[in-house]
Amino acid sequence: GQQVMQIPQYQHVQEGEDFTTYCNSSTTLSNIQWYKQRPGGHPVFLIQLVKSGEVKKQKRLTFQFGEAKKNSSLHITATQTTDVGTYFCAGIRGTDKLIFGTGTRLQVFP
Amino acid sequence: DAGVIQSPRHEVTEMGQEVTLRCKPISGHNSLFWYRQTMMRGLELLIYFNNNVPIDDSGMPEDRFSAKMPNASFSTLKIQPSEPRDSAVYFCASSLRVAGTQETQYFGPGTRLLVL
Repeated sequence: GQQVMQIPQYQHVQEGEDFTTYCNSSTTLSNIQWYKQRPGGHPVFLIQLVKSGEVKKQKRLTFQFGEAKKNSSLHITATQTTDVGTYFCAGIRGTDKLIFGTGTRLQVFP
Repeated sequence: DAGVIQSPRHEVTEMGQEVTLRCKPISGHNSLFWYRQTMMRGLELLIYFNNNVPIDDSGMPEDRFSAKMPNASFSTLKIQPSEPRDSAVYFCASSLRVAGTQETQYFGPGTRLLVL
């Protein structure tokens, strides 16, 4: 079956440091979405990437979709304590259901 | 705007008891999803409905779990009988699925279930 893996599983950084999480699918994806879940909260949609090689930015967050549409990354520049949470990618192939990745838990120390 | 509403927010029950989780999706959305989240297994899709019809229930763990969507504004997830390993956070999410597009899912606050 389709699997979506993320690395690393956990990441602890000092405030101001950069952070990157990587998302890899066993199959080619139609598109990929990213969600953020704060501690004790629920996943919240961040962005969707559709095109091969697409790059989108949201302030300090940069999202990239691989050329082969099998991987994606989220990079946060100069992390802040408000970035704490778990970041999930969610991939989909065709018109099938979203498959959520395993998530990367980010902890930011002040 | 009211988001996805789930109740109860917390549930503590004893093994063997029936548990019913409730969800009210965002008005106008036509797809509804039930997820389970645990530390060990992450975020798992249990079942999803489109236009009140169950489309994929392959994630439902076993016969003890059942889900219904009697109308566009209400869904339930029932566990009978409950077991300690069912302890998790159960999320409901809804979306507006339009042909040819991949929709954003809006999650409810979740129900934190503890089975003793």
